[in-house]
Amino acid sequence: GAGVSQSPSNKVTEKGKDVELRCDPISGHTALYWYRQSLGQGLEFLIYFQGNSAPDKSGLPSDRFSAERTGGSVSTLTIQRTQQEDSAVYLCASSLARSGGQFFGPGTRLTVL
Amino acid sequence: GENVEQHPSTLSVQEGDSAVIKCTYSDSASNYFPWYKQELGKRPQLIIDIRSNVGEKKDQRIAVTLNKTAKHFSLHITETQPEDSAVYFCAALAGGTSYGKLTFGQGTILTVHP
Repeated sequence: GAGVSQSPSNKVTEKGKDVELRCDPISGHTALYWYRQSLGQGLEFLIYFQGNSAPDKSGLPSDRFSAERTGGSVSTLTIQRTQQEDSAVYLCASSLARSGGQFFGPGTRLTVL
Repeated sequence: GENVEQHPSTLSVQEGDSAVIKCTYSDSASNYFPWYKQELGKRPQLIIDIRSNVGEKKDQRIAVTLNKTAKHFSLHITETQPEDSAVYFCAALAGGTSYGKLTFGQGTILTVHP
């Protein structure tokens, strides 16, 4: 079956604009995760969902970041009033359960000018 | 919360040699430890994982060992090939109230010279 998909693959925006990033997990995967990876850096945890609920939002960098998941499937990560430091690759992953291996999507490269 | 330290940050080997990457973790409740390989410009790919009820797991040229008492785990790649060149990340799955959250190490850039 299809793997994790993300859209858009690239997004260029101006400082102060809002952006929405979308993640479509592997069918049947109940857990969904968002990470951020800056150039040449490691993976920074942002938030994860078990079903539609988000037990752990501790990684969200500020209140400009929010995420939701509906129907236990697609998730959107919204960044309001984008700043240049938000520029990074945003990666989504999904797993069958919280205890399982996570499979990553191709990422969305966000550039804030 | 969980803290994962990974060493070395860079590793350069000759083709055919072995490569070892080590990680330590802080949360004794962590019970799942995956390893990811990330090639330049691509997504991280799960290459092997281990759970806390076993000490070693092998998959062809790749093996992972876990020492729960010392809270460290290692990735071993034997007979390295140029296509093994990539960034490798270890991770630990948090337990307790943060169950489900993966904390990643800082990554190791592995270069295999032909």
